[in-house]
Amino acid sequence: DTEVTQTPKHLVMGMTNKKSLKCEQHMGHRAMYWYKQKAKKPPELMFVYSYEKLSINESVPSRFSPECPNSSLLNLHLHALQPEDSALYLCASRLTGPQGEQYFGPGTRLTVT
Amino acid sequence: DQQVKQNSPSLSVQEGRISILNCDYTNSMFDYFLWYKKYPAEGPTFLISISSIKDKNEDGRFTVFLNKSAKHLSLHIVPSQPGDSAVYFCAASGVYNFNKFYFGSGTKLNVKP
Repeated sequence: DTEVTQTPKHLVMGMTNKKSLKCEQHMGHRAMYWYKQKAKKPPELMFVYSYEKLSINESVPSRFSPECPNSSLLNLHLHALQPEDSALYLCASRLTGPQGEQYFGPGTRLTVT
Repeated sequence: DQQVKQNSPSLSVQEGRISILNCDYTNSMFDYFLWYKKYPAEGPTFLISISSIKDKNEDGRFTVFLNKSAKHLSLHIVPSQPGDSAVYFCAASGVYNFNKFYFGSGTKLNVKP
């Protein structure tokens, strides 16, 4: 199984809502990532978990809250988002180590109204 | 400050010809480089990688060349096919934080039948 799955595929939420994005992989990867991607831009790193511990937070606003309940799951909790947070949210995973590619999920298309 | 740059936002090539996509980097501590391909509304897909101890890596129609002195890498696709039409991102990681990847801004390749 070389797949990273993400749910939901699409999400529309109001600025006062609380929602969560989910990511799952069963490849035994111990590094998991959240990226945000806007149209015609590269993926923008948000968070990295290594061995279920948060290792990188790229100064992301606190309205985004990551969680890694176990080595296969990664969540991104959303609260009080702004319209400019509308984007494609990508999850990725990889074997931690000096080499090795990231495997990306298909993304969640988030629209904040 | 963008440490990985793709200066050509787009490239158009005839089917069967060679596509050459270029990428430059500024950080001499980068030692692992990757190319990803992305279709709209999907996550990036890994294509090929190269470590700094090599100057060339081939996988089928795809070859990546690394010129460390010039801090430049390129992806050659031969022969190009219409299905190769996508956005191509180069990415790099370094010795001090191999879990963190820096992405270029992408090059949109259009292969004309």
